[in-house]
Amino acid sequence: ETGVTQTPRHLVMGMTNKKSLKCEQHLGHNAMYWYKQSAKKPLELMFVYNFKEQTENNSVPSRFSPECPNSSHLFLHLHTLQPEDSALYLCASSQVGTNNEKLFFGSGTQLSVL
Amino acid sequence: SQKIEQNSEALNIQEGKTATLTCNYTNYSPAYLQWYRQDPGRGPVFLLLIRENEKEKRKERLKVTFDTTLKQSLFHITASQPADSATYLCALDDQTGANNLFFGTGTRLTVIP
Repeated sequence: ETGVTQTPRHLVMGMTNKKSLKCEQHLGHNAMYWYKQSAKKPLELMFVYNFKEQTENNSVPSRFSPECPNSSHLFLHLHTLQPEDSALYLCASSQVGTNNEKLFFGSGTQLSVL
Repeated sequence: SQKIEQNSEALNIQEGKTATLTCNYTNYSPAYLQWYRQDPGRGPVFLLLIRENEKEKRKERLKVTFDTTLKQSLFHITASQPADSATYLCALDDQTGANNLFFGTGTRLTVIP
C-alpha cells in the first residue's frame, strides 16, 4: 500500500461515453500527477497539480480533463475517447520543495476504449 | 529532442549474479535521477535517487552510479534473486523544481533460479 488509491482498477468504455477516474492520496503531499502508460512506451506525464493549481499540461487532448478539488483528490474526466487512448492511467503524488522528490504511485486504472 | 533510453527491453540473468541496467539520456540536464521498480498490474515503486553532484549511491543490494559527462546512470543489483524479477524504470527531472519526472521505457529483468 503506497498511500495513493485509484478507482476504478479497470474500466471499459465506448467512444461516446463519459467517465471519470479518481485518485486519493493519504500522505499529506502537495503535488499530484497523472501519467499514461501504454505498451512499449515510456510513462507520459499528462498533468501536474501543485497546491491544487495546474502547472503542467503536456499537450494532452481536450477529451481528457483533470480536476483537483483539494490537495488530496485528483480526477481525470474522460469524454469521447479514441481506441488509442486505451492504456494504464497512473496517479502519483509527491511533496515538492522538501528535497524529497520521489513519487508515490497508485496501482493505476486499466482503461479499454472500444 | 529529449530522450531517455534504457539499454535493453529485457534482461535475463542467473540467480546470484549481478544485474546491470543502463539508462542514457540526451538533451536533459537533470538535477537528479531516480530508479523505480514496477511489477505487473502495479504502479512504479521508488528505489533510489542520485543527485547530479553524487557519483554513487547504495541501498542494501542496490547500487546506482551517475555520470553527468557521459549522461548515463548504471543500476546494479548484486546477488540477484528471483524476487528481483520486475521492470526497472529510470526517471529524470526537468529542472523546473516542480518535480516533473520523465521516464525511460524500462528494462524487464528476469532472474532465473
